[in-house]
Amino acid sequence: DSGVTQTPKHLITATGQRVTLRCSPRSGDLSVYWYQQSLDQGLQFLIQYYNGEERAKGNILERFSAQQFPDLHSELNLSSLELGDSALYFCASSVAGARTDTQYFGPGTRLTVL
Amino acid sequence: GEDVEQSLFLSVREGDSSVINCTYTDSSSTYLYWYKQEPGAGLQLLTYIFSNMDMKQDQRLTVLLNKKDKHLSLRIADTQTGDSAIYFCAEILYGNNRLAFGKGNQVVVIP
Repeated sequence: DSGVTQTPKHLITATGQRVTLRCSPRSGDLSVYWYQQSLDQGLQFLIQYYNGEERAKGNILERFSAQQFPDLHSELNLSSLELGDSALYFCASSVAGARTDTQYFGPGTRLTVL
Repeated sequence: GEDVEQSLFLSVREGDSSVINCTYTDSSSTYLYWYKQEPGAGLQLLTYIFSNMDMKQDQRLTVLLNKKDKHLSLRIADTQTGDSAIYFCAEILYGNNRLAFGKGNQVVVIP
């Protein structure tokens, strides 16, 4: 158990809908990362937050957004969902978001768009 | 570049050693990581190596780093059925803090 929690574990929804994925980092970690794992793209970095502020952006679609709240939990919002958004979404956390910090991953949320 | 390359599949008998290879491209990577993903599970950090090291041993795991060739390997000694999983190598890219992952190497342990 990494100490990073994600909810829900599974999510099934229809195209065009909007969903919110939630992540709680390890106790004491200030930085949260979101990654997407799909069969065709592999593991791709989406976005990073540190202490409530966006720090880095990766291959995140405009339909997707995220935020980190004062209690340090983070939410990833996915809207206008398409079939291709079906994937496993991971959250990771690290102490300070530095290059040398190890990232610990949550169990993931499996999103299925029908 | 962000290409982290891994071979895709390895079948090994229980008790034998497994070696998984990875080639990375960012010569300025400070840390290189190995993560394990069991079926239906998240990514578990297995081990990591700092770029100024050639080798790191952690119980049954040995990581070898060849910086000249940008080659990373993970050796699992006395492979067990619980080692069946997908193994990802990853590096932190220079200029940002995101992990770039290889496509993963599936290890199947045959009893």
